[in-house]
Amino acid sequence: DAGITQSPRYKITETGRQVTLMCHQTWSHSYMFWYRQDLGHGLRLIYYSAAADITDKGEVPDGYVVSRSKTENFPLTLESATRSQTSVYFCASSERNVGTEAFFGQGTRLTVV
Amino acid sequence: GESVGLHLPTLSVQEGDNSIINCAYSNSASDYFIWYKQESGKGPQFIIDIRSNMDKRQGQRVTVLLNKTVKHLSLQIAATQPGDSAVYFCAERVTYGNNRLAFGKGNQVVVIP
Repeated sequence: DAGITQSPRYKITETGRQVTLMCHQTWSHSYMFWYRQDLGHGLRLIYYSAAADITDKGEVPDGYVVSRSKTENFPLTLESATRSQTSVYFCASSERNVGTEAFFGQGTRLTVV
Repeated sequence: GESVGLHLPTLSVQEGDNSIINCAYSNSASDYFIWYKQESGKGPQFIIDIRSNMDKRQGQRVTVLLNKTVKHLSLQIAATQPGDSAVYFCAERVTYGNNRLAFGKGNQVVVIP
């Protein structure tokens, strides 16, 4: 089906482990984004990408790494997970630049123990 | 589910009544605003947007009002339905720095049948 999908939907990992969250979109949108959503903070931008091989930091990039080798995929990696990275992660994509209408995935609930 | 709805301001509305959700934004330089709806277990969904050169925009059953003087945004939902129960949050595009969306913390709307 067309759309934006995230995997896994739920993940529990241990402190210090590396974990990768996947995001795939079928619209060929140029822009893709990763957000985290926490109580009391709303959605905060981690990283975004304007096109394949172009990525840039958002508001809270520390501890995360992204890549965009193909337009349709935008994986987010936590290199060494910490408890403060327990959150709900959303991937989004849009046709145009940052700030215009974005379509969000269903989210990944990550728990770091 | 993949949403963060606890401890948010809550608006309880009788089915069929109109709802008004308010948002105070922070940056007078913001030039674009979006309202999102997030149902339990789902990612945010675009509802309506407005540019700073407008003060009102209407969609299907929704109206967004922008008051730049007091940096206030509101979303009006006409004839509220049970399916409107969700968390609603506004986002502003910050036009300096890395040109990103800044999201509000959200308001929970509960529709009473």
